[in-house]
Amino acid sequence: AQSVTQLGSHVSVSEGALVLLRCNYSSSVPPYLFWYVQYPNQGLQLLLKYTSAATLVKGINGFEAEFKKSETSFHLTKPSAHMSDAAEYFCAVTADRGSTLGRLYFGRGTQLTVWP
Amino acid sequence: DTEVTQTPKHLVMGMTNKKSLKCEQHMGHRAMYWYKQKAKKPPELMFVYSYEKLSINESVPSRFSPECPNSSLLNLHLHALQPEDSALYLCASSQGRPISTDTQYFGPGTRLTVL
Repeated sequence: AQSVTQLGSHVSVSEGALVLLRCNYSSSVPPYLFWYVQYPNQGLQLLLKYTSAATLVKGINGFEAEFKKSETSFHLTKPSAHMSDAAEYFCAVTADRGSTLGRLYFGRGTQLTVWP
Repeated sequence: DTEVTQTPKHLVMGMTNKKSLKCEQHMGHRAMYWYKQKAKKPPELMFVYSYEKLSINESVPSRFSPECPNSSLLNLHLHALQPEDSALYLCASSQGRPISTDTQYFGPGTRLTVL
């Protein structure tokens, strides 16, 4: 089975500071990994995804994530936080295996607060 | 155009009411999904349709009844709901048969309150 663990349900940073949101995955087969962002009262928007090509994935809004198999991690980073980055961030995993094909398994989410 | 639309945005209903949620996409996607999201929680998968056929039902109570009349439209019919069914209901779509590398595009959701 696949699962993800997001360390830290709340992260606060100052505007301009580095953003680091942690995600560790568990999968018995090669995983595919996603980061989604959810702004208040909105649906989820894809930030980036890893599908076994380059291990460093660049996404929208200046975010990127690095797939590290040895650490089973897929942490999300942004060099300089902006007030508009304040939102809930979800890491998700899926894998090519039988009945779970295409099924996303979400982490519990990390609420990012950005202070001026 | 990567837009999934959902109507209504907000819905308040009594436990004896019958209502429907609607989801529409015009991206030519053939997989469509219903998720339920409670406050401060991740989305929980409810149903998956693939080429207008129900392929996954995550043991959802029968008071929720999905329908996919055509490849662009997905409905969720609601009947005799309970207050604990109050949540944000999200629709999503992806390109073909559900495969693991496809991006799911989410709509803005319908905020449902059951009194």
